[in-house]
Amino acid sequence: GAGVSQTPSNKVTEKGKYVELRCDPISGHTALYWYRQSLGQGPEFLIYFQGTGAADDSGLPNDRFFAVRPEGSVSTLKIQRTERGDSAVYLCASSTGPAYEQFFGPGTRLTVL
Amino acid sequence: RKEVEQDPGPFNVPEGATVAFNCTYSNSASQSFFWYRQDCRKEPKLLMSVYSSGNEDGRFTAQLNRASQYISLLIRDSKLSDSATYLCVVNSNSGYALNFGKGTSLLVTP
Repeated sequence: GAGVSQTPSNKVTEKGKYVELRCDPISGHTALYWYRQSLGQGPEFLIYFQGTGAADDSGLPNDRFFAVRPEGSVSTLKIQRTERGDSAVYLCASSTGPAYEQFFGPGTRLTVL
Repeated sequence: RKEVEQDPGPFNVPEGATVAFNCTYSNSASQSFFWYRQDCRKEPKLLMSVYSSGNEDGRFTAQLNRASQYISLLIRDSKLSDSATYLCVVNSNSGYALNFGKGTSLLVTP
């Protein structure tokens, strides 16, 4: 079956711009996670959705970052006023529920110039 | 101090060699432990879970020492296709968020 998909695969933007990153989880997976992976580092947790609600957004670095999952399936990570330090690979994962195996998408590579 | 610490390597080994990776974690309340594999510019994929009694999957053996808060991965008879970054992963207090180490880079050469 289809895995987790993310679009775009690459995004280049200028400092100060707004970007949206999309994640399409595996069908039927109720849990969805966003992670961020900077160069040479492991992924870092950003936010967890169970269904439509953000159950835990404690990993979001500041209020420029926001994510939604209005219908409990597709999720969008939104970054306002991008900064060069936001450059990273943004990974989305989904699972059948919390504490079950997380399947990762291929990521969106964000470059802020 | 990071919650999960790993030696970043790189480990360069010849085909057929045995190689071991170690990692330590700081949260003694952690309940779930994993090794993920990440190929260059690809997403992480679960290699194996790690259980207290130790577990094996083909050429791969994982061990957990809760008292020392130490996790290991042993790869026997290395193949060229084992070349990748190996990420040590521990679940957070929440139970669902994963804490990743920086990863250990392995290069298996002919």
